[in-house]
Amino acid sequence: NAGVTQTPKFRVLKTGQSMTLLCAQDMNHEYMYWYRQDPGMGLRLIHYSVGEGTTAKGEVPDGYNVSRLKKQNFLLGLESAAPSQTSVYFCASSYRQFNYGYTFGSGTRLTVV
Amino acid sequence: EDKVVQSPLSLVVHEGDTVTLNCSYEVTNFRSLLWYKQEKKAPTFLFMLTSSGIEKKSGRLSSILDKKELFSILNITATQTGDSAVYLCAVIRSNDYKLSFGAGTTVTVRA
Repeated sequence: NAGVTQTPKFRVLKTGQSMTLLCAQDMNHEYMYWYRQDPGMGLRLIHYSVGEGTTAKGEVPDGYNVSRLKKQNFLLGLESAAPSQTSVYFCASSYRQFNYGYTFGSGTRLTVV
Repeated sequence: EDKVVQSPLSLVVHEGDTVTLNCSYEVTNFRSLLWYKQEKKAPTFLFMLTSSGIEKKSGRLSSILDKKELFSILNITATQTGDSAVYLCAVIRSNDYKLSFGAGTTVTVRA
């Protein structure tokens, strides 16, 4: 099993450019989440999804959009990148029962210049 | 607004010491609390706690939840240099399954 796969692993964007981060899981998990991690601030929830076709805003949703058209994929879009979006982005997924906690992807390091 | 507060923010210990990490929370519709260990890369799952007073144990790590006082502790006994990491606490809400994290505690274990 691949678990949770994030692509790309690294990316450098210019201010104003757009991009999409892909999270794919092969564990048939219902719940999927996107976080950003900045030094000293822990993991902050951007958006999440409790099932195919559903999305909800987290703590820091501004400047991001998401889609969950297929159960196994959760896409995070940056419409017009800003330097403040320089961060490490993590995707996580879980079964509805949470019995095994959440499985995280290996992260995407994004730099906006 | 939900709050998850971890303390201390960081600590340095020597091998063999015992470490106690704290996590307090203010969350509506609390369901469970989770502990994670993060070393450079993605967080790895340690424990999930749902009921008060029941200790969960894995090797030298143990954790307990107090739902009345709204906090959890994570203990690491006989620390080793491999325990050096950021330890993250998170809570899940039962109504919408939102998972919120604290800022983490950085533990450094010196040989």
